[in-house]
Amino acid sequence: KAGVTQTPRYLIKTRGQQVTLSCSPISGHRSVSWYQQTPGQGLQFLFEYFSETQRNKGNFPGRFSGRQFSNSRSEMNVSTLELGDSALYLCASSLASLARDYNEQFFGPGTRLTVL
Amino acid sequence: AQKVTQAQTEISVVEKEDVTLDCVYETRDTTYYLFWYKQPPSGELVFLIRRNSFDEQNEISGRYSWNFQKSTSSFNFTITASQVVDSAVYFCALSELTGKLIFGQGTTLQVKP
Repeated sequence: KAGVTQTPRYLIKTRGQQVTLSCSPISGHRSVSWYQQTPGQGLQFLFEYFSETQRNKGNFPGRFSGRQFSNSRSEMNVSTLELGDSALYLCASSLASLARDYNEQFFGPGTRLTVL
Repeated sequence: AQKVTQAQTEISVVEKEDVTLDCVYETRDTTYYLFWYKQPPSGELVFLIRRNSFDEQNEISGRYSWNFQKSTSSFNFTITASQVVDSAVYFCALSELTGKLIFGQGTTLQVKP
């Protein structure tokens, strides 16, 4: 069974640009979550999508947005990039359910974003 | 508020030594889940274990064991007879029913041959 895939793996952008990252969950998984990892702040939750709806959101500015498609694939977008947005962006998928039974989150390899 | 504290930033041991990684958590909920993840240099977080708040039974999986104590809000992880391949960053995480994971700052484990 294929794991979580993220594209691209590496990205270099300049301040002010915008970027879109993609995540394909494990087949059958309906929930996709995004996390940002930086040396200073560690791993922080960005948002979670389930059945094309944002179900949960972390404390990030509105420049960070996401969406989920009907095939459960998800994208996250960061507009007006700042130097501080340089990070490893991790996507995780889980079976999840509407009943909120908790299932493990399985992580992808991440996208390393560098903002110059 | 939810919080996870991993007080040990870095640990260095020699191969075959036992090592314990500490994790202390804070939550107001009675139902919650605790996790350990391993992050090797490649960057991908590898799931190791999940424990729910109603199950304080300790668990052993090969060289890995976990000690969950609600009385002290701790969920410690022990590697017995450590190996070089165990070198990685280890994260403890907490989740309530929202599904959102709250991570500790991580403990970097270096196992020297």
